[in-house]
Order: sequence, then structure tokens, then C-alpha cells
Amino acid sequence: QKEVEQNSGPLSVPEGAIASLNCTYSDRGSQSFFWYRQYSGKSPELIMFIYSNGDKEDGRFTAQLNKASQYVSLLIRDSQPSDSATYLCAVNMRSGYSTLTFGKGTMLLVSP
Amino acid sequence: EPEVTQTPSHQVTQMGQEVILRCVPISNHLYFYWYRQILGQKVEFLVSFYNNEISEKSEIFDDQFSVERPDGSNFTLKIRSTKLEDSAMYFCASRSQAGAEQYFGPGTRLTVT
Repeated sequence: QKEVEQNSGPLSVPEGAIASLNCTYSDRGSQSFFWYRQYSGKSPELIMFIYSNGDKEDGRFTAQLNKASQYVSLLIRDSQPSDSATYLCAVNMRSGYSTLTFGKGTMLLVSP
Repeated sequence: EPEVTQTPSHQVTQMGQEVILRCVPISNHLYFYWYRQILGQKVEFLVSFYNNEISEKSEIFDDQFSVERPDGSNFTLKIRSTKLEDSAMYFCASRSQAGAEQYFGPGTRLTVT
């Protein structure tokens, strides 16, 4: 069964620190990788996507992809209390289809 | 900034009743999706829709479920005879032809009593 795995957390970091969130996936043929932020009771909000090996930076966020290790991560620099949320890793596992398979999410808590 | 909208925000229904959840995808998007999230669990794919037909569906999407694009803007999910286990948040998502990124609506909380 195709899976996306995340540590459920919570991951606690102080304000201003770097938060590192990790995700592994089972299907080596996976094509596209996404990070969504979900506040309690709200819908997933797309914050980063990455398609190629390496790093992709957008403001305080950096997504890192290593297809050989089947590993994708999200770094949040200068973490703020407003970053406290559950971060969902989602993977497009099937070539030619765009269905997303989600992990259970990692809860991030940023303390002031 | 364009966004996906969904109505109603909360729907309460009795077991065995039919419900229709409505979505208005982002206007220039061509691919539409329904996902659901049972409380405390992960987001699960239900169905994808393109060019007026289902392109993929999950095991969850059985004969009790159907989707329709009745006009140029709306995209609906119908559950024919609701069960207690259908209680969940239902999210509509859409994406453009150009990219793989899917944008989610605010969701409909369905409560089946």
C-alpha cells in the first residue's frame, strides 16, 4: 500500500528558531510533493511544492527533496507563534494521475 | 486572489438521507477533486473529475457517492443515503491545466445523526 509517513509530533520550538518537518513516502515513482498547513478546524492551505531533487526556497520556507532516499522535508526559519499548526505532507504517487496521498501531519507548536 | 468556495459550511442530516455538497472551483481551473477528513484522521482522496467525467476514484467512493458539474461553475458531491461513518469534513479542491498544485476550499462539515 502506498504510504506517506510523518511524525505526528508535537514538535515544539521557541519563537525565532528553525523548525524542521520531515516526511517519507513509499512509492519510488512519486512525481510531485506538497506541503500544506492546516489550522485546527480549517482546510489545508498550500505553502510549498517541489518537483525536483534539491532545495526550493520561498520566504521563510524551504522544501527539500531527496528522491533516492524517498524523503521530503520542510524548514521554517524564524518560526512565529502564528506558524503553530499541523503540517501535512502530500505526494502525487502515480504518473499520469494527480491524486494526492496525504500523511497524517506533524503538529508544530511555536512558543513565544 | 481567486479561491475555491464551498457551501454549506456545516450540514446536519439524518442517517439514510441524501445530501449534496456544493463547490465553486477557481474559475480557470479544469481539474476538480473531493477529499474528506474524518476527525483526527488524515485527508483522504475520494474522486477526481476532468472534462466532465470521473478520472479517478478511491475505494471510499462507492455507489452511494456521485459527482456532477451541473453548470459552468458548480461542482457537486452527492451522497445518496448517508451513514454515520460519512460524518467528516469534505474538501473540494481544484487545479489548473498548467500546474500540479491543488487548492482547497474551506470545507463542509457533514454530521450524520
